[in-house]
Amino acid sequence: ELKVEQNPLFLSMQEGKNYTIYCNYSTTSDRLYWYRQDPGKSLESLFVLLSNGAVKQEGRLMASLDTKARLSTLHITAAVHDLSATYFCAVEARSYNTDKLIFGTGTRLQVFP
Amino acid sequence: DAGVIQSPRHEVTEMGQEVTLRCKPISGHNSLFWYRQTMMRGLELLIYFNNNVPIDDSGMPEDRFSAKMPNASFSTLKIQPSEPRDSAVYFCASSLRGLTYEQYFGPGTRLTVT
Repeated sequence: ELKVEQNPLFLSMQEGKNYTIYCNYSTTSDRLYWYRQDPGKSLESLFVLLSNGAVKQEGRLMASLDTKARLSTLHITAAVHDLSATYFCAVEARSYNTDKLIFGTGTRLQVFP
Repeated sequence: DAGVIQSPRHEVTEMGQEVTLRCKPISGHNSLFWYRQTMMRGLELLIYFNNNVPIDDSGMPEDRFSAKMPNASFSTLKIQPSEPRDSAVYFCASSLRGLTYEQYFGPGTRLTVT
């Protein structure tokens, strides 16, 4: 059974600092997704990583995927308050009769002045 | 496109009552997912459909929960009878099976069972 783990679960960081969120998964998968959820809101797609070595960047966020290590990272550069949210990674779980995303537990990020 | 539409956005009901949540996926999408989110259990996949057919309902917690998708543009999640532990935010998401399985989430229905 595919399991997805994120760490840290909670992250409080100062504006202007850099940090990385890690997403590990337990079985082979070539595709990984990152989502953002603001408090009281829905999940919004951030990045779609479709192959080993894939790197995507949007503003101060950069996501990468290493399928051999079964690891994805979400790097935050020079954090700003607007990045405060919960970030989820999700891994495709495919078998002959199923194709769904397995979500991690989420990382709650708080950026303070 | 209007995105995934869910109704109602908020529902407050008494224990024992029947609750029906509704979802309209993005037009053209062929997969639909129902999730439940709570502080304790996080985000849980309840059931999903491909081309209106239920594929995996292993996440449906009990027989009190049922879901239908009578056509490509409408799905319901029903809880009967409801219990206080069913209080959660229920999300519907849709995707277009193809190169990716990127899911697009609706705004959610916040259910409170008293």
